[in-house]
Amino acid sequence: QGQLVQSGAEVKTPGSSVKVSCKASGDTFSNNAFTWVRRAPGRGLEWVGGIIPVSATTNYAQKLQGRVTITADGATNTAYMELRTLRSEDTAVYYCASRDGGVWGQGTLVTVS
Amino acid sequence: SSELTQPSSVSVSPGQTARITCSGEVLSKKYARWFQQKPGQAPVLVIFKDSERPSGIPERFSGSSSGATVTLTISGAQVEDEADYFCYSASDNSQGLFGGGTRLTVL
Repeated sequence: QGQLVQSGAEVKTPGSSVKVSCKASGDTFSNNAFTWVRRAPGRGLEWVGGIIPVSATTNYAQKLQGRVTITADGATNTAYMELRTLRSEDTAVYYCASRDGGVWGQGTLVTVS
Repeated sequence: SSELTQPSSVSVSPGQTARITCSGEVLSKKYARWFQQKPGQAPVLVIFKDSERPSGIPERFSGSSSGATVTLTISGAQVEDEADYFCYSASDNSQGLFGGGTRLTVL
């Protein structure tokens, strides 16, 4: 099965932006779609959005519409999640996963402070 | 309604059967998945399509569906099954939905 490797932890100030990467190995990228999920401290899992790289079709959580953009680069087998106008409540561990949920990245802690 | 409702906690003794429910209108039309998450780790898929078990997941994990409710059953729960469990489905407008999560305690 494929593997997803995410970029490292980030510390950001309120109002700034963060871009998290998720590099896929093997055929995980070309034959798949990707989902981003986050988990804030003391809270549950929250769906952020997803992308189908082959068509660049994206879908975002309604509460994050306008602040989040998910992209994919087929040349490097990498998906990206950018979140803008960061707020303290965006502090969370952000995960990328295959759309079927079978493969997950290791998570990226984003701290907004 | 586009919500999935789970009990906040379930507690069993080792060897007992743990059942975690997840309810929501969307579940009468869409499949559910179940994820297990332990502290400091990424979630792990334990059930998909309501009742299918991925390879590598112990047979004690099973899923079922009835109307707008799905149930994750852990038969003979082990101490290592202690974790947070989340149900997941998708709404009609392709929005991903997670339940609020259930903390399973095995002691």
